[in-house]
Amino acid sequence: DILMTQSPDSLAVSLGERATIYCKSSQSVLYSSNKKNYLAWYQQKPGQPPKLLIYWASTRESGVPDRFSGSGSGTDFTLTISNLQAEDVAVYYCQQYYSIPSLFGQGTRLEIK
Amino acid sequence: EVQLVQSGAEVKKPGESLKISCKGSGYNFTNFWIGWVRQMPGKGLEWMGIVNLGDSDTRYSPSFQGQVTISADQSISTAYLQWSSLKASATAMYYCARLGSAMIGDVFDIWGQGTMVTVSS
Repeated sequence: DILMTQSPDSLAVSLGERATIYCKSSQSVLYSSNKKNYLAWYQQKPGQPPKLLIYWASTRESGVPDRFSGSGSGTDFTLTISNLQAEDVAVYYCQQYYSIPSLFGQGTRLEIK
Repeated sequence: EVQLVQSGAEVKKPGESLKISCKGSGYNFTNFWIGWVRQMPGKGLEWMGIVNLGDSDTRYSPSFQGQVTISADQSISTAYLQWSSLKASATAMYYCARLGSAMIGDVFDIWGQGTMVTVSS
């Protein structure tokens, strides 16, 4: 299995500032034939199901604000939330979909400072 | 509107059986896989397995293989997750979710609202 490790476990950022969440996979999720990174990010607000934010490591899902951005390749990835808004309070998960089982990271809780 | 609607909350005793459902609408159900994700109270997301709605092909996480059964009924656009003998450790929220198209890859792009399963004597 490809294990996913996120850091930090929790994060407090001031409104309008930038939040950065890291995700590391135990092996590369870059598929050599198509040069795509099989890495997604989800947002889960309290009492709600998760919501897909980003796929292919850096492609925003339709309707996701452009203050959310993903980067990275191979085994190291980053989710950046610029100009933090109150509605961004949530738990964020990365997920690899390079192989089955498509495991999630343990989650990072984002709060307002 | 594309949506997945799950069956309601369940309260069961250890040893009982259970089957929960996930009904899709607003898209061609047979063209997509449906997956199940467990979230234990206060914990993270766990990928359990997926089922192809066209031919009922299934794939399981080794962590859940033999513990649950994932199935589908194409004729009513519904996927299922079932237990033959529940344990207290099955207490959790269970989400179904649709695997995306080839364009976005095997990510979960549409989620059900969740089914809370409580197992207690």
